[in-house]
Amino acid sequence: DAGVIQSPRHEVTEMGQEVTLRCKPISGHNSLFWYRQTMMRGLELLIYFNNNVPIDDSGMPEDRFSAKMPNASFSTLKIQPSEPRDSAVYFCASIAGSTDTQYFGPGTRLTVL
Amino acid sequence: SQQGEEDPQALSIQEGENATMNCSYKTSINNLQWYRQNSGRGLVHLILIRSNEREKHSGRLRVTLDTSKKSSSLLITASRAADTASYFCATDGSNYKLTFGKGTLLTVNP
Repeated sequence: DAGVIQSPRHEVTEMGQEVTLRCKPISGHNSLFWYRQTMMRGLELLIYFNNNVPIDDSGMPEDRFSAKMPNASFSTLKIQPSEPRDSAVYFCASIAGSTDTQYFGPGTRLTVL
Repeated sequence: SQQGEEDPQALSIQEGENATMNCSYKTSINNLQWYRQNSGRGLVHLILIRSNEREKHSGRLRVTLDTSKKSSSLLITASRAADTASYFCATDGSNYKLTFGKGTLLTVNP
């Protein structure tokens, strides 16, 4: 089992540019979560999907952030336009059915200059 | 707002010693989980304890839960250098949402 896959692992971009982060959950998992981790705020839930449908996006910071899950094996988190305060590590996690354990990907370290 | 709050923020011990980390939370829960994060990596699930359980063991890990005090502790016995990591508690909400604390950074010195 390859686990949760995220790409890219590192992204450096300039302020104002569009950034797209990608996630492939574990096969068979039906819930997917996007988190952001910073030193100041810790680990924050941005949005989560159940069966490809966004259930709760209350953690999305503002309209510059959007997330999609077009199918059960792929999700994207997009930031447009990016700002330096978006610099963080973004994690994707998935769970299967009624279990409670979340499986995390390795994260994408985003730096916005 | 953060549901789980770990303490201490940082803990440094010698290999072979036991490490205890605590977590406090504010609202009622269905379960509480502990995760480990090695530097530069994703979080890894360690153990889950349900609200009707008071203690749980997994290898060198022992977790306790006191729902009356809204607190939990994670004990790692006979620590190893490889246990060096950040440890997070996470409490559940509805629909499998987890709220994480800011973590305890554990350093085990060889």
